[in-house]
Amino acid sequence: GEDVEQSLFLSVREGDSSVINCTYTDSSSTYLYWYKQEPGAGLQLLTYIFSNMDMKQDQRLTVLLNKKDKHLSLRIADTQTGDSAIYFCAATDTGRRALTFGSGTRLQVQP
Amino acid sequence: GAVVSQHPSRVICKSGTSVKIECRSLDFQATTMFWYRQFPKQSLMLMATSNEGSKATYEQGVEKDKFLINHASLTLSTLTVTSAHPEDSSFYICSARTVPNEKLFFGSGTQLSVL
Repeated sequence: GEDVEQSLFLSVREGDSSVINCTYTDSSSTYLYWYKQEPGAGLQLLTYIFSNMDMKQDQRLTVLLNKKDKHLSLRIADTQTGDSAIYFCAATDTGRRALTFGSGTRLQVQP
Repeated sequence: GAVVSQHPSRVICKSGTSVKIECRSLDFQATTMFWYRQFPKQSLMLMATSNEGSKATYEQGVEKDKFLINHASLTLSTLTVTSAHPEDSSFYICSARTVPNEKLFFGSGTQLSVL
């Protein structure tokens, strides 16, 4: 099955850029996703990238995909205190057609 | 984006009782919905795949007689935790998949506490 790994914690200052990294193992994953989870809340889909793309930009968010290395990153420009949350990377498990999630990266934004 | 409504958001129940959690896709039809479970400070683990009109597919280690899933319509899936025990206390999240682009949208989750 698919394994997805992320670093657990990232701390940045307000206004800086944040980069959250993720690796996955299933090279046939067709979609890769980034979700945001605030305390006690569900998951909010931030963005996704199709596997035939290497970059996708959506306002302050930039997703980079290195398919060869199976590496995905999420860059948040001009990080704000409201961006503090846990960010989950997820990849489609082509066998089950469900998502396999990473452990989540806690982003702390300091004023 | 598409909206998935999950209810209730919090439930506290006594050990031995059953709890039903509903997951509705509000503005689209979902032939497939997924149920995940999240323990504190951990990631989401897929419990089962719910297919409209057929039996759910459970992941290894998930007891199908304990976690009953019903997907009777294209917009509603329910998860019933039967004979709940304190170790069933967890955050349960459903998701629904859009067709044809297969994006997943999540409900807001249900925090279950079993006393």
